[in-house]
Amino acid sequence: QVQLVESGGDLVKPGGSLRLSCAASGFTFTDYYMSWVRQAPGKGLEWVSYITGSGRTIYYADSVRGRFTISRDNAKSSVFLQMSSLGADDTAVYYCARLGRSFGAFDIWGQGTVVTVSS
Amino acid sequence: QSALTQPASVSGSPGQSITISCTGTSSDIGFNDYVSWYQHHPGKVPKLLISDINTRPSGVSSRFSGAKSGNTASLTIAGLQAEDEAIYYCTGYTVSSLFVFGTGTKVTVL
Repeated sequence: QVQLVESGGDLVKPGGSLRLSCAASGFTFTDYYMSWVRQAPGKGLEWVSYITGSGRTIYYADSVRGRFTISRDNAKSSVFLQMSSLGADDTAVYYCARLGRSFGAFDIWGQGTVVTVSS
Repeated sequence: QSALTQPASVSGSPGQSITISCTGTSSDIGFNDYVSWYQHHPGKVPKLLISDINTRPSGVSSRFSGAKSGNTASLTIAGLQAEDEAIYYCTGYTVSSLFVFGTGTKVTVL
């Protein structure tokens, strides 16, 4: 079945770095844009970044631009989020989400991976 | 890149209909038809309810419907049920090719 499985969440010190991974299965990976969405404790959902199927076009939210890098490995049906200069505001559950055939909708979500930034 | 504005909470009795608004600008909600809605039960994964303003994915109840007028989108839940108690988010796609979520609305079934 269609599935997204995130990994890589951890406790990291302020200023540190972390790389999240999302393994996709059950669909033709290259046909879809992929995205990361996060939810800080007690807060709402926040879009972070998306990448086109080819990986050639990428967009970031203002809050992470210059610190986070999204990438994908189509041969391994995986998408990644490299995070650096992490601060307390980056503490959140990070979800990997697929942008569906209707471009503007996140139709499949992973279960999320927890990133905690604390000294 | 400001969050879209939703009411913090909406409540209704079982069987009633409720409507959640999502207000943006001419640079996001008013810019195109890429408005979607999500249901999020705490501790679970967000679920897509509506895409393209008013399209329901397969498997989503017909009790959920969407609309848009100008810079404001709306989600209506008809025949409110206990299982509808959750947080609902709208999403828009901006003129800068970015996504923006709404602030979220907690729906309470009285």
